[in-house]
Amino acid sequence: DAGVIQSPRHEVTEMGQEVTLRCKPISGHDYLFWYRQTMMRGLELLIYFNNNVPIDDSGMPEDRFSAKMPNASFSTLKIQPSEPRDSAVYFCASFQGDPGANVLTFGAGSRLTVL
Amino acid sequence: AQSVAQPEDQVNVAEGNPLTVKCTYSVSGNPYLFWYVQYPNRGLQFLLKYITGDNLVKGSYGFEAEFNKSQTSFHLKKPSALVSDSALYFCAVRDRGTGANNLFFGTGTRLTVIP
Repeated sequence: DAGVIQSPRHEVTEMGQEVTLRCKPISGHDYLFWYRQTMMRGLELLIYFNNNVPIDDSGMPEDRFSAKMPNASFSTLKIQPSEPRDSAVYFCASFQGDPGANVLTFGAGSRLTVL
Repeated sequence: AQSVAQPEDQVNVAEGNPLTVKCTYSVSGNPYLFWYVQYPNRGLQFLLKYITGDNLVKGSYGFEAEFNKSQTSFHLKKPSALVSDSALYFCAVRDRGTGANNLFFGTGTRLTVIP
């Protein structure tokens, strides 16, 4: 398996523009997570899905952020409109089966810079 | 509520010396505990985990961690550090008592191994 695949790897955009980040989880994994990493706040959980259904979006910072998972092999995280404080590395991660001791597999991340 | 503390932002150690990266946690029930490592421009990679049983857990690349319930700690250790161990290390916890699905991460500790 190619692992968790994220695109784009790098995105530079101007304030006010729409940004869409994409994630393909490992085939068969039924949990998908979106995390954001910044120097100031470390790793923050934004939202996670189980069987394509959003379970907990309490970490989504505000209404400018939205996430979807239309099918088991694809998820998007959208920011509209983007702001400089959204600059961060966004990670997607997945695992299969019951939570607990299951190990998350992370993608390589999408580095977003909002000017 | 779950939380993880990594009290040291930075740890420096000479090559060949033993290393310790500290982690303490707080959960309402019993924990599942994890260590992940992040190399530059990469996603997090799983190192080891504690589920139950033996308090000393052995993981990848010669790393081990000791679960101490009374001190609520899960320190990462390695008997002899390598320059290639230089990376960002994250401790994480999941509270098995609540059935929570998400993993809470510490803020990370940057390990630098000096040749």
